[in-house]
This record gives sequence, C-alpha cells and structure tokens, in this order.
Amino acid sequence: ETGVTQTPRHLVMGMTNKKSLKCEQHLGHNAMYWYKQSAKKPLELMFVYNFKEQTENNSVPSRFSPECPNSSHLFLHLHTLQPEDSALYLCASSHPNIGGNTEAFFGQGTRLTVV
Amino acid sequence: GESVGLHLPTLSVQEGDNSIINCAYSNSASDYFIWYKQESGKGPQFIIDIRSNMDKRQGQRVTVLLNKTVKHLSLQIAATQPGDSAVYFCAENGLPRQLTFGSGTQLTVLP
Repeated sequence: ETGVTQTPRHLVMGMTNKKSLKCEQHLGHNAMYWYKQSAKKPLELMFVYNFKEQTENNSVPSRFSPECPNSSHLFLHLHTLQPEDSALYLCASSHPNIGGNTEAFFGQGTRLTVV
Repeated sequence: GESVGLHLPTLSVQEGDNSIINCAYSNSASDYFIWYKQESGKGPQFIIDIRSNMDKRQGQRVTVLLNKTVKHLSLQIAATQPGDSAVYFCAENGLPRQLTFGSGTQLTVLP
C-alpha cells in the first residue's frame, strides 16, 4: 500500500452518464495529481492541486472536472465522456521539499471503460 | 516540445542476469529523475531517484546512472528475479516542476 487510495477500482459508464472518481491520501502531502494512462502512451498529467488550489490544467476537456475539498481528498467528476476516454486514471500525491523535487506516490488507479 | 523517452519498449532477461533499462531525456533544465515500476493492475511504484548533482546512486539491487552530457538515464537491476517483471518508467522533474514520464519499458524475466 502506498497510502493513496482510489475508488472505484473499475468503472464502466455510458457516454451520457455522470460519475466521479475518488482519491484519498493518508500521507500528509499537500499536492495531489490526476494522471491518465492509455495503452502504449506515457502517463499524461491532467490536473495538479497544491494546498487545495488548482495550479495546473493541462488542456483537459471540460467533460473532466476536478474537485479538491481538502489536501487529503481529490475527485474527478466525469460527464458525457467519449470512448477514447477509456483509460487507467491514476491519482498521486507528493510533498514538495524546498527544492521542489520529490517523488509522487500513486494509487492503484481506476480502470475506466466508456461504452 | 520537451520529452522523456525510452530506447526499447521491451526487454527480456534470464533470471539471475543483470538488467539495464535506458532512458533519454531532452529537458536540459531537469534536475531530478525518478524510476518507477508498474506491475499489472497496479499504480506506479517508486524505485529510486537521483538528483542532477550526482551521476550514480545505489539502492537495494538497483543502481541509477545519470549522464547529463548526453541526457541519458539508466536503471540497472542486479540478479533479476521473476518479481522484477513489470513496466519501468523514468520520469523527470524539470520546469515546470512536475513529473514528465517516458512511455515505459516492459521487462520480462525468463525462467
């Protein structure tokens, strides 16, 4: 266990559905991230939150809506997704040191299938 | 744009042999690098990191080498075991200070 918990582990949703992914970290970190991992592609950074404030949005379509109510929880709200959005969605957290360099701890991911 | 890439998508080694996984990066401002291991059905797991003021760092059965001159990073795994079979990613933490990942190398350990 990495201290980062994601739910659900698997999700199948239709293109007209609305669902949410949840991430919780018990590491006392102040930065949280959403990554998308598609087959045979590098991990793609989607969103970054530092101290509950969004600091990065890597041109992610508006059908993905993040929410960070506190430093320990991160959500990804999904609506009207497309089949090409099917992927493994990974949450990570980190505690940047003064130099800004620190490893990210990942959850197990949510395997999303859009039908 | 800046990118992190891997020389080979797959690598097969005999159990007990040493493995070397390579990574090229192009962001000369990157000053921190990490190797992650991802097993099937799991999220990436931290293996070892190295800062740009070092050229070598050793962990338990793993060694990371950094060559800033040619922007090359490698992960060496000694006495490779079946449990080492996984996808290995290198990541850089350059500017902006967020991790950029390579596409990964699938390591298969043969009995």
